[in-house]
Amino acid sequence: AAGVIQSPRHLIKEKRETATLKCYPIPRHDTVYWYQQGPGQDPQFLISFYEKMQSDKGSIPDRFSAQQFSDYHSELNMSSLELGDSALYFCASSSRQGANEQYFGPGTRLTVT
Amino acid sequence: AQTVTQSQPEMSVQEAETVTLSCTYDTSENNYYLFWYKQPPSRQMILVIRQEAYKQQNATENRFSVNFQKAAKSFSLKISDSQLGDTAMYFCAFLEYNFNKFYFGSGTKLNVKP
Repeated sequence: AAGVIQSPRHLIKEKRETATLKCYPIPRHDTVYWYQQGPGQDPQFLISFYEKMQSDKGSIPDRFSAQQFSDYHSELNMSSLELGDSALYFCASSSRQGANEQYFGPGTRLTVT
Repeated sequence: AQTVTQSQPEMSVQEAETVTLSCTYDTSENNYYLFWYKQPPSRQMILVIRQEAYKQQNATENRFSVNFQKAAKSFSLKISDSQLGDTAMYFCAFLEYNFNKFYFGSGTKLNVKP
């Protein structure tokens, strides 16, 4: 069965650089969530989209922005990267028509040096 | 805002035995969804089991079952016949009925010993 795809899987950037993380939800899923998980921490909600519109916003820094496109894939743009941005970034998708489907992607491991 | 609490930072269990992981949550909503996710060392988030709040029957998935007490806002996970591959971090999660946001507990690190 198709799963949530995230790219890249690993990314190394330097401070003050920009990074773009991509998420491709499971086909026919209309909702995408982004989470940040620091070392030894639980996932922290960043932002979510439903039908290409932002549906909720969590502790997402102003340096980050995200959007969901017409094909439902989503991109998380991170600018002026800081060392503290090093984390695992998860994308999850779900379908509001089917409560039984919420799945996470494998994550993108971002390392800022 | 909803909160999810996992009071057991770490637990150990012998292989083939049964272990129960605790989770409590706080919400004013009547309809919502609850999940247990497993995060092995690979850090992949794997769905273990899910429960719809409007269903009284406890969810079961093979060796995994939950004890859902809606009035007490409790959602514990029971793992029967524990296997070495069950060693992982387990997160309890709450999903709002409007699907806007997941809330996660702080996790319980489970170590299955041979």
